[in-house]
Amino acid sequence: AQSVTQLGSHVSVSEGALVLLRCNYSSSVPPYLFWYVQYPNQGLQLLLKYTSAATLVKGINGFEAEFKKSETSFHLTKPSAHMSDAAEYFCAVKEAAGNKLTFGGGTRVLVKP
Amino acid sequence: DTEVTQTPKHLVMGMTNKKSLKCEQHMGHRAMYWYKQKAKKPPELMFVYSYEKLSINESVPSRFSPECPNSSLLNLHLHALQPEDSALYLCASSTGTGGRSTEAFFGQGTRLTVV
Repeated sequence: AQSVTQLGSHVSVSEGALVLLRCNYSSSVPPYLFWYVQYPNQGLQLLLKYTSAATLVKGINGFEAEFKKSETSFHLTKPSAHMSDAAEYFCAVKEAAGNKLTFGGGTRVLVKP
Repeated sequence: DTEVTQTPKHLVMGMTNKKSLKCEQHMGHRAMYWYKQKAKKPPELMFVYSYEKLSINESVPSRFSPECPNSSLLNLHLHALQPEDSALYLCASSTGTGGRSTEAFFGQGTRLTVV
């Protein structure tokens, strides 16, 4: 069965510093991978997705992620954190043939001024 | 229109009440989902409808009853809930099932409190 692990339930960064959120997946075949962001009392918004095209994926709000098959990873980065990036971030995996979207445990990002 | 609309935004209900959560999308999506999210946890899949037919039920208790009246609407009927069912209920939709019909679009959720 597919699964997703996010390393670090909380990440604290200074405004202007690099944001790095880690995600590793477990799947028997290369899956589809996603990063979602959730602000307090809101739904989930798609940041970016990997669907077996380019391995470096650019998303909204300056975020990007790189798919590394050899490391089974899909880490999310942003070069310069902004206060508005404070939120919960979820990595998710979906097998090519199925409907089921499985989420990692989430990483809460705190941005310090 | 890229929105998934959920109503109501907030709901407080007693353990003997019957209520319904509603979800609507006009993106022509053929797959719709219900997720349950407890505080500080990731969303957990409850049900998937594909082409208006229930395709996945993640062993959800029968006090939760989904309904898909048409391709744009998804309901979740609630009856005899327990306080531990209090959570954010999220609806989502996607273009279809499998293949490159990949990303799910989420609504803002219904915050349910069972008293």
